[in-house]
Amino acid sequence: GAGVSQSPSNKVTEKGKDVELRCDPISGHTALYWYRQSLGQGLEFLIYFQGNSAPDKSGLPSDRFSAERTGGSVSTLTIQRTQQEDSAVYLCASTQSRQGGTDTQYFGPGTRLTVL
Amino acid sequence: GQSLEQPSEVTAVEGAIVQINCTYQTSGFYGLSWYQQHDGGAPTFLSYNALDGLEETGRFSSFLSRSDSYGYLLLQELQMKDSASYFCAVTGNTGKLIFGQGTTLQVKP
Repeated sequence: GAGVSQSPSNKVTEKGKDVELRCDPISGHTALYWYRQSLGQGLEFLIYFQGNSAPDKSGLPSDRFSAERTGGSVSTLTIQRTQQEDSAVYLCASTQSRQGGTDTQYFGPGTRLTVL
Repeated sequence: GQSLEQPSEVTAVEGAIVQINCTYQTSGFYGLSWYQQHDGGAPTFLSYNALDGLEETGRFSSFLSRSDSYGYLLLQELQMKDSASYFCAVTGNTGKLIFGQGTTLQVKP
């Protein structure tokens, strides 16, 4: 596609429910990144994929968070038993190569998650 | 560990020049990036410095001093549309980007 897309754009859920967020990277981009941004804050790294493998999962805040990537393309971020502190914008970015800083990261529009 | 520091807010007037500084501590270093984010929008790439010196792209320039673990973003001929948040980010030896907390730039008429 022309850019990184994410769905849904907005998600409102009740505390304790599971949610699944989707990211479609730019076609041909090998690396995919997930970030979380709370209101007025910086971007918090969650996880990144090189192909279908995740060399760095160090940013996942708890074992309620998991992510996968299939076919070297689409990625899903799953949050189980959501808590109110999970409310944030979840951003996905992709790059052509494995070095996230040497290549431009192209960001999707984000998914705004609100946990009631 | 890895950390970045940048000012939380900067205010300037249209037509002026503003400099946003960034200092960093990181395990390994590949480069310093700058991203712009308008309210409600996604971050967009502005510049990347891997080597010491100044990189110029139109009204925006970015500088890096590896020995000082310091960089800055210079915005010239400020326009109202430049009002946004600006993030510096470093790539360490794990290959991932670590972002600063962002600097909110307000441009006034």
